[in-house]
Amino acid sequence: GQQVMQIPQYQHVQEGEDFTTYCNSSTTLSNIQWYKQRPGGHPVFLIQLVKSGEVKKQKRLTFQFGEAKKNSSLHITATQTTDVGTYFCAASLNTGTASKLTFGTGTRLQVTL
Amino acid sequence: DTGVSQNPRHKITKRGQNVTFRCDPISEHNRLYWYRQTLGQGPEFLTYFQNEAQLEKSRLLSDRFSAERPKGSFSTLEIQRTEQGDSAMYLCASRKTGDYTEAFFGQGTRLTVV
Repeated sequence: GQQVMQIPQYQHVQEGEDFTTYCNSSTTLSNIQWYKQRPGGHPVFLIQLVKSGEVKKQKRLTFQFGEAKKNSSLHITATQTTDVGTYFCAASLNTGTASKLTFGTGTRLQVTL
Repeated sequence: DTGVSQNPRHKITKRGQNVTFRCDPISEHNRLYWYRQTLGQGPEFLTYFQNEAQLEKSRLLSDRFSAERPKGSFSTLEIQRTEQGDSAMYLCASRKTGDYTEAFFGQGTRLTVV
């Protein structure tokens, strides 16, 4: 069935190092969304990508949508302890009558000083 | 507070008991989703509604789970004859109609079955 996979599952970096998580789908996506979930919290929307090859930036975060619209990445430059959390991609997968929002498996980021 | 509200925040129940959770979405949001999340995993889709219509229910969901959204406003998720494997965080999210809208999550209901 349609799935959204993420790698890596976990990454531990020292503050100041860069971090990247990748999201892959077996089918072409209409759009992709990224969410962040802090420890003990709930997922919070970060950004949405719609166009093929689209790149968006939010301060130290860079989001990219693949040319084939089957994959996406989130890159954080010079991580800070405030970046700690789990990052999820999410896609609206068409199931016939409407689309359901399906989340990836997530990448947990740990940042230490 | 106009965010998504879930009640209760925590629920401890004995195995075999029934439990019901409530979700109040953002008022103008047509779509409402229920997810289950266990430690270290992503939100697992359970079911979703477009207004009062339940459009899809996960095939992984047993018949012990049922959800309603009467009048297209708040929603309830009921689990009958709870099992220890049902212990998880149950998240509700709402969004406006369309695939290009962001989802807003509630704080979740943490269920512990003992």
